[in-house]
Amino acid sequence: DADVTQTPRNRITKTGKRIMLECSQTKGHDRMYWYRQDPGLGLRLIYYSFDVKDINKGEISDGYSVSRQAQAKFSLSLESAIPNQTALYFCATQLGQYTEAFFGQGTRLTVV
Amino acid sequence: AQTVTQSQPEMSVQEAETVTLSCTYDTSESDYYLFWYKQPPSRQMILVIRQEAYKQQNATENRFSVNFQKAAKSFSLKISDSQLGDAAMYFCACMMEYGNKLVFGAGTILRVKS
Repeated sequence: DADVTQTPRNRITKTGKRIMLECSQTKGHDRMYWYRQDPGLGLRLIYYSFDVKDINKGEISDGYSVSRQAQAKFSLSLESAIPNQTALYFCATQLGQYTEAFFGQGTRLTVV
Repeated sequence: AQTVTQSQPEMSVQEAETVTLSCTYDTSESDYYLFWYKQPPSRQMILVIRQEAYKQQNATENRFSVNFQKAAKSFSLKISDSQLGDAAMYFCACMMEYGNKLVFGAGTILRVKS
């Protein structure tokens, strides 16, 4: 089983719909991250959390919200999806500062 | 702004040959780590190699090695004896903001020809 699990793996949704992407991890790491990958832009940070009570905005947080339900769970929500949110989304965990990031398998989201 | 630049959108290499992927970065921090990640068609992000900025010695992992030039803020990846399984997107990344955030380059697609 994967250490960092994202659900769903693929999703097609309509403009204006609310959608939640889920991430769970068994690595025991406090730090969790959500990234978005677009062609030609690499991965960009949406939100990150250092523990259950600590949520921080990344460079592209507009249109997104997150919830850290437990140390092991970190969800990303699109309140009203729009087509330019079509992208590959990654969840990642880290043990601490300057440590390797471990990624989930990614969620391919298409907004039509 | 803290940025990571990969100037080669695509590269090709013949099987068994050597290829170098380029990466430059910009940070005012003195402590940082650098990474190369591989993303095959499966989408999984796989760590290839890491380099601590305070270490002068270039990191090596089997066929993968880096050329780390701290003054020039350059961090290139050399793949020796290229194999078909090396074909993937490669991302350069720098861990900045005192080890709290990863900043990625745009990626380089590597094609391996048989």
